[in-house]
Amino acid sequence: ETGVTQTPRHLVMGMTNKKSLKCEQHLGHNAMYWYKQSAKKPLELMFVYSLEERVENNSVPSRFSPECPNSSHLFLHLHTLQPEDSALYLCASSQGQAGASYNEQFFGPGTRLTVL
Amino acid sequence: AQRVTQPEKLLSVFKGAPVELKCNYSYSGSPELFWYVQYSRQRLQLLLRHISRESIKGFTADLNKGETSFHLKKPFAQEEDSAMYYCALSGVGYGGATNKLIFGTGTLLAVQP
Repeated sequence: ETGVTQTPRHLVMGMTNKKSLKCEQHLGHNAMYWYKQSAKKPLELMFVYSLEERVENNSVPSRFSPECPNSSHLFLHLHTLQPEDSALYLCASSQGQAGASYNEQFFGPGTRLTVL
Repeated sequence: AQRVTQPEKLLSVFKGAPVELKCNYSYSGSPELFWYVQYSRQRLQLLLRHISRESIKGFTADLNKGETSFHLKKPFAQEEDSAMYYCALSGVGYGGATNKLIFGTGTLLAVQP
């Protein structure tokens, strides 16, 4: 598998469940991102990891807990979610480079989450 | 505040007609602007960036700092151009290794035969 992969592609969970979303990148990048895409709203950046360290937490509720064990893997742990958390969750990665103005982000296919 | 505005949720044109997808931005520094595209059943991908000044699939976009706009244009639309188009602004990076992208709400381009 090449590029950025995400599992599962679809997830339905109750508000009391605990689940995890997984992202894996096969591009040798050292920065990874979680985005949330809700209906009628722009893509919202949730978390950014650079070299396995979290460098951005965009005011995300604590019921979302990210984990980056290495530069190729990124998880989003979910617990006690609300129905309004139902959305498409996208993972992306980029090649970090000190001093670079921008490095293209490569996106995964997303996980469609439904919270009942 | 950093913000990207795409005023049109849907743009429907006939094949061969010109296309202009509007994007306006708000940013206090020197912006880097991008267009991302998502075709049906495919993942979000970069279409073009303003610093490259390139034409991709016949699309061009010029950064107008005076009007704070970065509209996407194509002189003759094709049916395969039908997709969701997102304008994005690159904000301040973190530690030189990451880039914060701020997206607009997207415009669905539908090219009719």
